[in-house]
Amino acid sequence: DAGVTQSPTHLIKTRGQQVTLRCSPKSGHDTVSWYQQALGQGPQFIFQYYEEEERQRGNFPDRFSGHQFPNYSSELNVNALLLGDSALYLCASSLAARGSFGYTFGSGTRLTVV
Amino acid sequence: DQQVKQNSPSLSVQEGRISILNCDYTNSMFDYFLWYKKYPAEGPTFLISISSIKDKNEDGRFTVFLNKSAKHLSLHIVPSQPGDSAVYFCASDKLIFGTGTRLQVFP
Repeated sequence: DAGVTQSPTHLIKTRGQQVTLRCSPKSGHDTVSWYQQALGQGPQFIFQYYEEEERQRGNFPDRFSGHQFPNYSSELNVNALLLGDSALYLCASSLAARGSFGYTFGSGTRLTVV
Repeated sequence: DQQVKQNSPSLSVQEGRISILNCDYTNSMFDYFLWYKKYPAEGPTFLISISSIKDKNEDGRFTVFLNKSAKHLSLHIVPSQPGDSAVYFCASDKLIFGTGTRLQVFP
């Protein structure tokens, strides 16, 4: 049973560019959450998608946007990249009915902005 | 405002001894807390949780204690094993994470 798959694993972008990160949830899960983990910090919640809609959002600017597809996979888009956007981006899938339990995290995408 | 805090960035413990990882929180409304473990190049994995109505939850070598009056929780690992070496995060029920504690268990 495949867990959460994220692509790409590593990415280098130039300041001002745009980036799209992808996430395939664990089989049977219907909710996808995205987190940013900066160096030396814990994961910080960006937003959560359920039924193809953004259900919750953390304290991140509008440059961060997302999408969920009918097959529950999701994308995270970041526009106008800043050096401070360099981080590990984690995707977690879950079942909406279980709340915060049963989250399965992917291995993340390491984004470096130069 | 950091609602969940882990003030010790690292901890080194000898194999077989007890590891104690600490976490403090500021919001009394959290219903439960979770501990996650993260190995390098992997995502965090769920370890153990505790409801706010309990003061202890045990699962094998792992025990979490909750002190509501002090707004403090701790994860005890006994006996510690080298495979326990990882970064440990505590998180609230809203998945607000602490900054993590890197545990190293040496032989």
